Amino acid sequence: DQQVKQNSPSLSVQEGRISILNCDYTNSMFDYFLWYKKYPAEGPTFLISISSIKDKNEDGRFTVFLNKSAKHLSLHIVPSQPGDSAVYFCAASARSGAGSYQLTFGKGTKLSVIP
Amino acid sequence: KAGVTQTPRYLIKTRGQQVTLSCSPISGHRSVSWYQQTPGQGLQFLFEYFSETQRNKGNFPGRFSGRQFSNSRSEMNVSTLELGDSALYLCASSPGDRGRRGYTFGSGTRLTVV
Repeated sequence: DQQVKQNSPSLSVQEGRISILNCDYTNSMFDYFLWYKKYPAEGPTFLISISSIKDKNEDGRFTVFLNKSAKHLSLHIVPSQPGDSAVYFCAASARSGAGSYQLTFGKGTKLSVIP
Repeated sequence: KAGVTQTPRYLIKTRGQQVTLSCSPISGHRSVSWYQQTPGQGLQFLFEYFSETQRNKGNFPGRFSGRQFSNSRSEMNVSTLELGDSALYLCASSPGDRGRRGYTFGSGTRLTVV
């Protein structure tokens, strides 16, 4: 049972245009959501996050939108740059007890930004 | 500030063998989590250690185990290796108390079981 789903394995976007990466979740206990970016042969790096009490969080070219009623979040990258080409993982967390915050990841979306 | 260090970077083992992977967290971080990444399954949570105690565990068989030392360094062990254990094993560290902004990941250990 996949609790965090990224239904698009890949996405191609022209440089300068908007990239929109989508993520759906099923667990109502998730209250914090994160996006990670991963290059080959490297570990994932934190990009941006959003708490369930908000519906939007912005950081430079990156904006995350959260629609709790639809259990859907999206990452917008504007404008897209070739260096953004990577695999993007959506992750969600719910408190697991004893202060622990386990992350549940989607399977990732490979973004290719075409110059 | 040094990042999360995982050793070795690459490993080839034979079915039935056991393997130990090491993770040194960022200085001052007390929580270490382990994830398995495979092409078909994405990143899956193995377990988390905090102050030498396992405080969270994913849905993996008992062949997967770990421990954390007093200096917060962590090791993960896989016994009786199977071909399906071939994966990238990622370690992540966080302060452990308010880690909601996510972890800092290491570059991973690529394990190949033949």
